[in-house]
Amino acid sequence: QVQLVQSGAEVKKPGASVKVSCKASGYTFPSYGISWVRQAPGQGLEWMGWITTYPAYTNYAQKLQGRVTMTTDTSTSTAYMELRSLTSDDTAVYYCARVGSSLVDYWGQGTLVTVSS
Amino acid sequence: SYELTQPPSVSVSPGQTASITCSGDKLGDKYVCWYQQKPGQSPVVVIYQDNKRPSGIPERFSGSNSGNTATLTISGTQAMDEADYYCQAWDSRRVFGGGTKLTVL
Repeated sequence: QVQLVQSGAEVKKPGASVKVSCKASGYTFPSYGISWVRQAPGQGLEWMGWITTYPAYTNYAQKLQGRVTMTTDTSTSTAYMELRSLTSDDTAVYYCARVGSSLVDYWGQGTLVTVSS
Repeated sequence: SYELTQPPSVSVSPGQTASITCSGDKLGDKYVCWYQQKPGQSPVVVIYQDNKRPSGIPERFSGSNSGNTATLTISGTQAMDEADYYCQAWDSRRVFGGGTKLTVL
C-alpha cells in the first residue's frame, strides 16, 4: 500500500534552516511528483510547491521563492523540503503528498516545525 | 496572484444537502479539487478534476465548476462529514481556498 512517512517534529531558532523528509513506499517513486503543503496553527492549507523527478522540475510558491528548496533521492525514494531563514511565521505542520497526473491522492502524516527563540 | 474565496462556515442538518462554494476569476476554466480535513488528521481528497470521486469516497459527495464558482455538494449529510473543506485549483501554481468549516447540527 502507498505510504508517505515524514520525519519527526523539529524545534528551530529564528534564522535557522529546517529540512523535512518524506519517505515513499508502495509505488514507483519517480512516476509521481511530490507536493509540499503547510498549515499554521488554527489556519488553512498553504501550497508550498512541488517537485517531479522525471522530468526534473520544481515549482515553488511565489512567497517562498529563494527560501525553499525541494529535492528527491530516487535511491531511497525520499523527498526533502528545506526552508531557510526561519521566522515565527513558519511555525506550522508541514505535509508532503503524492501528485499524480490528475490528483493529489496520498498524504504524509505531517511534521510539526516550531520556530521559537 | 490567483485567489480562491470560500465561506468560513456552513451549517447543515443531518440528512440535508450541504453546498460549499469556491470562487475565483474564470475558475471554470481550471480544474478544481476538494479536500476534507478532520481535526488532527491529514487532508483527504474527496473530489478531483471538478467532479470525479476517488475510490472509497461516498457517492453523496459531488462537485461542479462553471463560470467563476465551483461547488462541493454533500447529499444526505452525515455527522461524520463534519470537517474543514478546502478547494484547490491550478493556475501557474496550485492555490488553496481559505477553507470552510462544515458543521452538522
